[in-house]
Amino acid sequence: NAGVTQTPKFQVLKTGQSMTLQCAQDMNHEYMSWYRQDPGMGLRLIHYSVGAGITDQGEVPNGYNVSRSTTEDFPLRLLSAAPSQTSVYFCASSRDGPEQYFGPGTRLTVT
Amino acid sequence: RKEVEQDPGPFNVPEGATVAFNCTYSNSASQSFFWYRQDCRKEPKLLMSVYSSGNEDGRFTAQLNRASQYISLLIRDSKLSDSATYLCVVNPSFYNNNDMRFGAGTRLTVKP
Repeated sequence: NAGVTQTPKFQVLKTGQSMTLQCAQDMNHEYMSWYRQDPGMGLRLIHYSVGAGITDQGEVPNGYNVSRSTTEDFPLRLLSAAPSQTSVYFCASSRDGPEQYFGPGTRLTVT
Repeated sequence: RKEVEQDPGPFNVPEGATVAFNCTYSNSASQSFFWYRQDCRKEPKLLMSVYSSGNEDGRFTAQLNRASQYISLLIRDSKLSDSATYLCVVNPSFYNNNDMRFGAGTRLTVKP
């Protein structure tokens, strides 16, 4: 099992550009989440999904969209990148309990 | 006030030392509690769950005090490989397993 995979590992965007961060898991987990991690702050939940076709907002959803067309994939879309979105983004999945498995992260810089 | 607060450290200890971290949470209705470990520039990984009765896993002991709303992690006989950031994680929701609130982490460096 590859577990949770994320692409790209690194990305630099200019303000106003859009892009999609990819996340996939091969553990057949129903729950998937996106977090951002900033220095001095805990991971903050952006969006999550409890199954294919179902998504909901987390703590900091503004500026991001998600979709969940399959169990395996949960992409995160930045609509119009802003410097405040410079962060490390982690995707996570879990089966039916709160233990989460994280991907390796995407380091995003917006200039 | 942050929902989950941790002393950021860093804690610098010699090998073999015992070190303890505390974490406080603000939501008294919180349901489940965890310690995650995060190595530098890596993803967080579950270290252990924290049960009301306290639990131990080898050199690691976790305690929960619901009345005072704090969680602790004790590491005995520290190893160099224990150097990492330890994240306190709280799930405040009975219905939503995705609703995890993370502390900012406590950094530990174990020195030879």
